[in-house]
Amino acid sequence: GEDVEQSLFLSVREGDSSVINCTYTDSSSTYLYWYKQEPGAGLQLLTYIFSNMDMKQDQRLTVLLNKKDKHLSLRIADTQTGDSAIYFCAERGTGGFKTIFGAGTRLFVKA
Amino acid sequence: DAGVTQSPTHLIKTRGQQVTLRCSPISGHKSVSWYQQVLGQGPQFIFQYYEKEERGRGNFPDRFSARQFPNYSSELNVNALLLGDSALYLCASSLGVGGGDGYTFGSGTRLTVV
Repeated sequence: GEDVEQSLFLSVREGDSSVINCTYTDSSSTYLYWYKQEPGAGLQLLTYIFSNMDMKQDQRLTVLLNKKDKHLSLRIADTQTGDSAIYFCAERGTGGFKTIFGAGTRLFVKA
Repeated sequence: DAGVTQSPTHLIKTRGQQVTLRCSPISGHKSVSWYQQVLGQGPQFIFQYYEKEERGRGNFPDRFSARQFPNYSSELNVNALLLGDSALYLCASSLGVGGGDGYTFGSGTRLTVV
């Protein structure tokens, strides 16, 4: 079945780069996403990548996709304390009508 | 332009009761999806509606139902509430049926069943 897995915690120092990793099982995924959730809030779409792309850069964010290994990563350059949040990896399933989310990676940024 | 709005923001219900949650999508968005997020987990898909028709249903019991109105707003109903239904219920809107360019989420309704 469809599944998305990600590590639960990541701690970095302010100014360093953060790399959050994710693996998925659905080989026919068309879109892969990164969402951010701050306490008490809904999810905010950060960026997404189409499955025929290897990389996408958007300001401080870089997404890398290894379709062969079904591995997705999000790199945040110059991480700030305001980046502390939960980051969800997600993939759009074969049915096209639902998005499957991972359990989220909690990013701690130390000043 | 207003984002996705959900009401109420918080709700406390007793086991066995029924609850209705409401969602207004972004203006112009015709698709509404509902997700359940249990504390410490990622959102789980419940329903998607597009142009007032159900386009997808997740692995949830028949106690969960939803509908979409002509103005594209939506309601999620849960009957015979169980303690395990306590969660954050998120509404997400998107332009098209598949949400390929991603969802815009509301802030959610926090449901507590006691």
